[in-house]
Amino acid sequence: LAKTTQPISMDSYEGQEVNITCSHNNIATNDYITWYQQFPSQGPRFIIQGYKTKVTNEVASLFIPADRKSSTLSLPRVSLSDTAVYYCLVAGAKAAGNKLTFGGGTRVLVKP
Amino acid sequence: DTAVSQTPKYLVTQMGNDKSIKCEQNLGHDTMYWYKQDSKKFLKIMFSYNNKELIINETVPNRFSPKSPDKAHLNLHINSLELGDSAVYFCASSRGGGRVSSYNEQFFGPGTRLTVL
Repeated sequence: LAKTTQPISMDSYEGQEVNITCSHNNIATNDYITWYQQFPSQGPRFIIQGYKTKVTNEVASLFIPADRKSSTLSLPRVSLSDTAVYYCLVAGAKAAGNKLTFGGGTRVLVKP
Repeated sequence: DTAVSQTPKYLVTQMGNDKSIKCEQNLGHDTMYWYKQDSKKFLKIMFSYNNKELIINETVPNRFSPKSPDKAHLNLHINSLELGDSAVYFCASSRGGGRVSSYNEQFFGPGTRLTVL
């Protein structure tokens, strides 16, 4: 079971870059790393997914070192609307039920 | 159009009652899920269905039963509600056939806040 560990919370200011690291020491060969964002009173929303190295899309970047035992979600130039909870999920194609547990996530507060 | 919808949004009920939460997706996805989010924001899988077949069934009490009349719907029925069932329940869906492609992007509904008194 690839248990994930994330910081409970992080504060930042508008315009800054926010980096959230997720530890997953027991990641399996066929596991992917996926990050979700959740606003209050809403369901989680997919942000980005990767397997190794670096992935970038229009909202974030995901850095994965060679050993894949951790990953870092990078949010460039955050705004107040980026205040949310961010979840790291590690799962593969045939994940058992508990591998789809998202954990507690990281609460990011962006201040003006 | 709403991709994944749930009804009701709020549900307040007494202990011992039976209730259902409905979920519908119009994305044409093959797999649907039910998650429970507790007060500490832990989001835990309860069930998933692929082509009307239960693929994942976590250690959830048998008071909880998923019902899927067709590929676009996965309803959650709860018998004999308990105080500990109070939580937010999320429905989600994703692409994937055969076995669960759990790394495929999941689309979540808005959630149903269940309060058991």
